[in-house]
Amino acid sequence: GEDVEQSLFLSVREGDSSVINCTYTDSSSTYLYWYKQEPGAGLQLLTYIFSNMDMKQDQRLTVLLNKKDKHLSLRIADTQTGDSAIYFCAERGAGSYQLTFGKGTKLSVIP
Amino acid sequence: ETGVTQTPRHLVMGMTNKKSLKCEQHLGHNAMYWYKQSAKKPLELMFVYNFKEQTENNSVPSRFSPECPNSSHLFLHLHTLQPEDSALYLCASSQDRERRAGTQYFGPGTRLTVL
Repeated sequence: GEDVEQSLFLSVREGDSSVINCTYTDSSSTYLYWYKQEPGAGLQLLTYIFSNMDMKQDQRLTVLLNKKDKHLSLRIADTQTGDSAIYFCAERGAGSYQLTFGKGTKLSVIP
Repeated sequence: ETGVTQTPRHLVMGMTNKKSLKCEQHLGHNAMYWYKQSAKKPLELMFVYNFKEQTENNSVPSRFSPECPNSSHLFLHLHTLQPEDSALYLCASSQDRERRAGTQYFGPGTRLTVL
């Protein structure tokens, strides 16, 4: 089946930028998503990008998509301690309603 | 608040018990989903309902039984579970399972422990 890979951990200092990377195998992906999960909570949608775009910016968040390399990244500018959470990358294939999730990247922000 | 609520938030049950998880969405969506989140494993899709019809059952054991009485409510009935079924069970909903971005909105989850 299709696969989504993420590194499991990332540690950054408060105020620095964080970059969380994701790779996927489904060449027919139409939409790619970033979700955030705080301890004891469900998944919160942060942003998504359509596959014909290569960048999307929303306040402190910048999503970059390299469709040729099947690589997605999420950049968080001016990272705050409240950004500490697990970040999930997910992709949706063409004609499909199912999302394939990565295992999540745990972001730790050091004060 | 995402507009998707789940009850209970925590549940501890024995292997011989029968219990139910409830999900309600206030977003006017047509599709609802059950996921299982276990430690160190990707999110696993269990069931999908679209306009109250079950459209997906990803090889889930029969000890999990879903029910969708209307587009706003989704239940997961549990019976004779195993300790390995302990996990966070997440409910999600989306506008339409195939149109637009199909963005799924998640509830806070039910943390299930099977003794």
